[in-house]
Amino acid sequence: SQQGEEDPQALSIQEGENATMNCSYKTSINNLQWYRQNSGRGLVHLILIRSNEREKHSGRLRVTLDTSKKSSSLLITASRAADTASYFCATDRTGGGNKLTFGTGTQLKVEL
Amino acid sequence: GAVVSQHPSRVICKSGTSVKIECRSLDFQATTMFWYRQFPKKSLMLMATSNEGSKATYEQGVEKDKFLINHASLTLSTLTVTSAHPEDSSFYICSPRPRDYPYEQYFGPGTRLTVT
Repeated sequence: SQQGEEDPQALSIQEGENATMNCSYKTSINNLQWYRQNSGRGLVHLILIRSNEREKHSGRLRVTLDTSKKSSSLLITASRAADTASYFCATDRTGGGNKLTFGTGTQLKVEL
Repeated sequence: GAVVSQHPSRVICKSGTSVKIECRSLDFQATTMFWYRQFPKKSLMLMATSNEGSKATYEQGVEKDKFLINHASLTLSTLTVTSAHPEDSSFYICSPRPRDYPYEQYFGPGTRLTVT
């Protein structure tokens, strides 16, 4: 089964709106990371949040982590059409050899 | 930022042939290389992990004789899909981990393999 499950699977919003994606995982982690992937392209690292952190910001991105609920959220504020992409969470599991396990992804579409 | 290249970006081959995919870290040295495959609209699945100069460790269900990994240097790793079949058609992505920043991981742009 997937270590990371994301919801929603797909999200369509209007430019200027905020987009929130959630990620749940099953085991304890060292850190959780969010990545973005444009169609047919490689992954771009967005943000890393460590297990002892609860919230992190980077530009228009805000990530929260709740280790008690084993969940994380990615908020993109004031979305733009260029934010259209798939977003994946990835967990670095404790005792996992620093290997990343990716979630199922959320396909975000931002319409003009 | 770290630059990772993959070659080729796209390849179409006939069933039964072998395809080699190269992954290079252009401005850093990578002691560890991860290879992933991704089916359309799906997540990345880890295939194998290799460390420079040693044999790769494969994930459960991944055939090591079919997906040959060579991590000959700190800047180059190759994945060879041997005797390719249509079900091997996928998007293959390499991910080198920098020697100097072991908690970071970068990703190549991917290789689209289509086996006819």
